[in-house]
Amino acid sequence: AQSVTQLGSHVSVSEGALVLLRCNYSSSVPPYLFWYVQYPNQGLQLLLKYTTGATLVKGINGFEAEFKKSETSFHLTKPSAHMSDAAEYFCAVSPFTGGGNKLTFGTGTQLKVEL
Amino acid sequence: GAVVSQHPSWVICKSGTSVKIECRSLDFQATTMFWYRQFPKQSLMLMATSNEGSKATYEQGVEKDKFLINHASLTLSTLTVTSAHPEDSSFYICSARDQSRGLKGYTFGSGTRLTVV
Repeated sequence: AQSVTQLGSHVSVSEGALVLLRCNYSSSVPPYLFWYVQYPNQGLQLLLKYTTGATLVKGINGFEAEFKKSETSFHLTKPSAHMSDAAEYFCAVSPFTGGGNKLTFGTGTQLKVEL
Repeated sequence: GAVVSQHPSWVICKSGTSVKIECRSLDFQATTMFWYRQFPKQSLMLMATSNEGSKATYEQGVEKDKFLINHASLTLSTLTVTSAHPEDSSFYICSARDQSRGLKGYTFGSGTRLTVV
């Protein structure tokens, strides 16, 4: 069984400020972890993913996330927020093996970027 | 890159009618497609997994007779909402998996906003 918890359904930052979106997971097997972004009335776009190897993962649009097994976390960060980053962000987990490769999503975090 | 086309992007239908949503992988073969439902301000809930040429696997609590899924080819899966009711109004999103791209292979459609009146 696997689950994802995203702390904070809404996060507001100033343009240029650090973005930190939190994600904790629970998985009975080694997980694959993902961050997706969703703009209004659109599908999901992959930002980055962790499978194995380097625990600091860099993605598109300047985002990165660090897999911390001891903390069961996969928080998403960006050093400097841009207005175009305003969107809904979803953390997701998929089992390393089995489970039909199904993605389990967190409840999402709405990021607001203010001038 | 991999592209998934979902059609229609929005649809309004009368209560009791059926609506078909199409999900096409444009430049890859998708042996597996996933259908999700998303309520306003909520996460995506997996409804079913469809594998080309076989019956779909539905998640617990999803009525398979109401949400008919067909995955007859490697590039097309359809979701038909039968005898739609207002409570079926939601945002439906498909995802197609290109196994040749490994874990980058989950590509999402742009979603379908269904409103049942």
